[in-house]
Amino acid sequence: GAVVSQHPSWVICKSGTSVKIECRSLDFQATTMFWYRQFPKQSLMLMATSNEGSKATYEQGVEKDKFLINHASLTLSTLTVTSAHPEDSSFYICSALTAMKAFFGQGTRLTVV
Amino acid sequence: QKEVEQNSGPLSVPEGAIASLNCTYSDRGSQSFFWYRQYSGKSPELIMSIYSNGDKEDGRFTAQLNKASQYVSLLIRDSQPSDSATYLCAVTDRPGTYKYIFGTGTRLKVLA
Repeated sequence: GAVVSQHPSWVICKSGTSVKIECRSLDFQATTMFWYRQFPKQSLMLMATSNEGSKATYEQGVEKDKFLINHASLTLSTLTVTSAHPEDSSFYICSALTAMKAFFGQGTRLTVV
Repeated sequence: QKEVEQNSGPLSVPEGAIASLNCTYSDRGSQSFFWYRQYSGKSPELIMSIYSNGDKEDGRFTAQLNKASQYVSLLIRDSQPSDSATYLCAVTDRPGTYKYIFGTGTRLKVLA
């Protein structure tokens, strides 16, 4: 299957700081990537759709100024959580599409203290 | 609001038995259907995809789709303890976007 690499796998940051998460498709080009958030014992909630070379499309209720998405190349999308707060602590997962299937990165466990 | 419903479980089956996981979806226009397995603390991994009515088999896994009933299921034959995980059903939002809507997942426990 296709490989999607997400980095870092876990991060602890202080409240008020920003954190950048990278998502790379290693063996294919992805014009579209997705960012999800998953709270404990809940399913994946789509935050935004990242399109290469254009602005991301955010889901209702997701603050675009807080969760900055950049998809500058066909193999890399980044999510920056700005001015993070404890309630932003969650498991963030990216996915990329190829051959009409979504493959997921390993996920990033963000803890804001 | 488009929804994908799954029983949260846990569904407990003995080792070697067949595990049956079910999923219903609300949007009749849904085109593609997927089953993902997620171990605790890990990201989902794709197990099966199915696009047309009927059964699709891959090894110990069989996906079944019934669009008239808006129902998709996953059967796991000869269940192993390593199959213990949460199984997520995903449905594409609408043709051409590939935006997935996930169910809440069913937790499967295979008892040795």
